[in-house]
Amino acid sequence: DAKTTQPPSMDCAEGRAANLPCNHSTISGNEYVYWYRQIHSQGPQYIIHGLKNNETNEMASLIITEDRKSSTLILPHATLRDTAVYYCIVRANTGTASKLTFGTGTRLQVTL
Amino acid sequence: SAVISQKPSRDICQRGTSLTIQCQVDSQVTMMFWYRQQPGQSLTLIATANQGSEATYESGFVIDKFPISRPNLTFSTLTVSNMSPEDSSIYLCSATLLAGGGTGELFFGEGSRLTVL
Repeated sequence: DAKTTQPPSMDCAEGRAANLPCNHSTISGNEYVYWYRQIHSQGPQYIIHGLKNNETNEMASLIITEDRKSSTLILPHATLRDTAVYYCIVRANTGTASKLTFGTGTRLQVTL
Repeated sequence: SAVISQKPSRDICQRGTSLTIQCQVDSQVTMMFWYRQQPGQSLTLIATANQGSEATYESGFVIDKFPISRPNLTFSTLTVSNMSPEDSSIYLCSATLLAGGGTGELFFGEGSRLTVL
């Protein structure tokens, strides 16, 4: 799996958009970008994933650059409950699943 | 979606003993994995639990220390053997659904927090 680089920490004011960047310059053509988050004392939670098109769901939006070497997870209106560690992971999606390799992630602190 | 239940949720163990963690999924899944998360660290994959055969271990993890069973599609156990304080961690079970629709989404349990004295 390709290595990812994320800032170790970020702050965001409640109600504002949180934009979490991720670099994955060695991503292969068949590798997807996945985002998970881990709220304190809980197991990781899937947020969103994409291959090359931008994706949006009820939790977040994922913007992938045209060369696919970086992406941004956007939480449009951050709340205090979004305080968590966010992991950007790239891996091939075989359809029958493959292991996830977690990096160090970005610790997002949402403040009043 | 899938709900993954782990038991015990936490335990305090004595050095030299072994503890078995159980993982039960409420849906039929394809792959099951065991991760370790040491204090303040990210998740590290221990092994892939294979149904009916030996688990596939990642570098740095061995079967004698972390024996794993997976007797059916929805259940797996991880044993932490001959524990030392360095084994104090959160151990997490994860799985993907049999009918995942190709998303590859991994579901995680809440983890089992082990403290070894």
